[in-house]
Amino acid sequence: ETGVTQSPTHLIKTRGQQVTLRCSSQSGHNTVSWYQQALGQGPQFIFQYYREEENGRGNFPPRFSGLQFPNYSSELNVNALELDDSALYLCASSYDPVANYGYTFGSGTRLTVV
Amino acid sequence: AQSVTQPDIHITVSEGASLELRCNYSYGATPYLFWYVQSPGQGLQLLLKYFSGDTLVQGIKGFEAEFKRSQSSFNLRKPSVHWSDAAEYFCAVGSSTSGTYKYIFGTGTRLKVLA
Repeated sequence: ETGVTQSPTHLIKTRGQQVTLRCSSQSGHNTVSWYQQALGQGPQFIFQYYREEENGRGNFPPRFSGLQFPNYSSELNVNALELDDSALYLCASSYDPVANYGYTFGSGTRLTVV
Repeated sequence: AQSVTQPDIHITVSEGASLELRCNYSYGATPYLFWYVQSPGQGLQLLLKYFSGDTLVQGIKGFEAEFKRSQSSFNLRKPSVHWSDAAEYFCAVGSSTSGTYKYIFGTGTRLKVLA
């Protein structure tokens, strides 16, 4: 079975720009959750997509948005980038929204905002 | 509020020594609990999970964890550490609030292994 693939692996953007991060979920998984991991911190929940609809959101502003496609892949978009958006962005897929069997995480996209 | 606390930011052990990483959680209902490991520059790999049944759970790479409801703890253990175990370890609780399912992670414990 394939795992979770994220692209790009690294990205440098300027404050105020927009960025799109991509994620291919594990085969058989219909739910994708996005997490932000700042340096030295644990991952923080951004939002979850289930069957192409947003299915819950953490404490992140509306400039963080997402999409899920019919093949269950997903995008995370961040507008008007701020320096504090610099972090590792992790995509996690699961069999269902509850994910009580655990997530499968990708290796992440390291975003640096300068 | 739901939370996870990992009181040890860094732990150093010698190769072959035993290991225990602490995790305390705050959650009203019966929790789903997880331990993940993260190697440098990598995503998170699931080591083990608990959501019901036997309170001692076995995971991959020789790790185990014990759920103690009375202490709100889910500590990770390994009887003999290998150099390849050096990584960061995260404890997480599965949370459901107003129909939103997410994991709440602790801040992690960085494990260093001495040869």
